[in-house]
Amino acid sequence: GAVVSQHPSWVICKSGTSVKIECRSLDFQATTMFWYRQFPKQSLMLMATSNEGSKATYEQGVEKDKFLINHASLTLSTLTVTSAHPEDSSFYICSAHPGGGVTDTQYFGPGTRLTVL
Amino acid sequence: GENVEQHPSTLSVQEGDSAVIKCTYSDSASNYFPWYKQELGKRPQLIIDIRSNVGEKKDQRIAVTLNKTAKHFSLHITETQPEDSAVYFCAANTGTASKLTFGTGTRLQVTL
Repeated sequence: GAVVSQHPSWVICKSGTSVKIECRSLDFQATTMFWYRQFPKQSLMLMATSNEGSKATYEQGVEKDKFLINHASLTLSTLTVTSAHPEDSSFYICSAHPGGGVTDTQYFGPGTRLTVL
Repeated sequence: GENVEQHPSTLSVQEGDSAVIKCTYSDSASNYFPWYKQELGKRPQLIIDIRSNVGEKKDQRIAVTLNKTAKHFSLHITETQPEDSAVYFCAANTGTASKLTFGTGTRLQVTL
């Protein structure tokens, strides 16, 4: 149980284009989803917290107009990197939290490797 | 906000030896401390976690200890095996919205 999927697993795009990454909780409802970015040999840095039906909360220094987050249902959150540039190349990982006070555990997706040429 | 420091950044042990990774946190309101193992290019996998009402938790070869007063917690791996080689991250929640702040990671290498 508690499976989280991400799509695509990797993507290569040209500078200036937009890329959408999907995060799905497959067997549970996630009231909250988190988006992280991880550069090579570095830790996971939280970008934003996404709650179903409400606007995402972005961490300091993360441009909300560049990283658009939508959490339209209890099982799906999307991250759109708009006007991507080479410095946006990174490993993007989502996690899902069931909420409801049942558990503190976050379940991670397999990640999406974005390369911007 | 929460700040989590992790040491050492790299750790090399011989197979069968024990490995200890230490973390400190800054927010006294934090009450949940998970440890994740991440292999190259893969997702972080939860290996053990502890809540602030418990001082120690053990799961086979893995144990975590928590000292709330000193605001530090440690991961202990006994009888290490080559498959334990990976990057390990500690984390602490911030008390609201279940956000996690991660440590900088420890690259563990278990040599034969």
